[in-house]
Amino acid sequence: DGGITQSPKYLFRKEGQNVTLSCEQNLNHDAMYWYRQDPGQGLRLIYYSQIVNDFQKGDIAEGYSVSREKKESFPLTVTSAQKNPTAFYLCASSIVTAQPQHFGDGTRLSIL
Amino acid sequence: KNEVEQSPQNLTAQEGEFITINCSYSVGISALHWLQQHPGGGIVSLFMLSSGKKKHGRLIATINIQEKHSSLHITASHPRDSAVYICAVRGETSGSRLTFGEGTQLTVNP
Repeated sequence: DGGITQSPKYLFRKEGQNVTLSCEQNLNHDAMYWYRQDPGQGLRLIYYSQIVNDFQKGDIAEGYSVSREKKESFPLTVTSAQKNPTAFYLCASSIVTAQPQHFGDGTRLSIL
Repeated sequence: KNEVEQSPQNLTAQEGEFITINCSYSVGISALHWLQQHPGGGIVSLFMLSSGKKKHGRLIATINIQEKHSSLHITASHPRDSAVYICAVRGETSGSRLTFGEGTQLTVNP
């Protein structure tokens, strides 16, 4: 079945380490998004990409980086510059930018 | 003040009750989305609205563009409806970006 796969489901990071969250979709969607969710807050946009080899910063891009080398894949790297990385991270995709977004099951990142 | 406000934040109901969740927004929008997030964290898109009303099974979503307000109704609620319901808007000038409400935690007791 088509969908979005995020891995891993749980991820632990030591202080000062970079970690990469995986997001793969087989829906043939052009647009992909990364969101961060914190308790009691709405989802916030980190980065989004409307086409391969292009991406834009969202509202909270500092301390994060992305790449979009393939249509199916949009990995997110949480760098050591992100001072408060503990959160739930959701990846989404859509056919075009104005259509409903399909979400993955998320990755929960914690700091050791 | 957030651009998207939901009420209530938490809602507990008995099985079979009619449920309403409200969403108010402060910007001009091109579309409004209702999403459902289950305890495991995965999110499902329920509705995308730009005007009027949509119905899917026991779920009904309405929007009043002039009043900048939308409601999500659940008829004959069931324990499996327990989830967080999230309202999100796409601003007229924000391209593909969505702004999300904080969500409404719904618990339906048997």
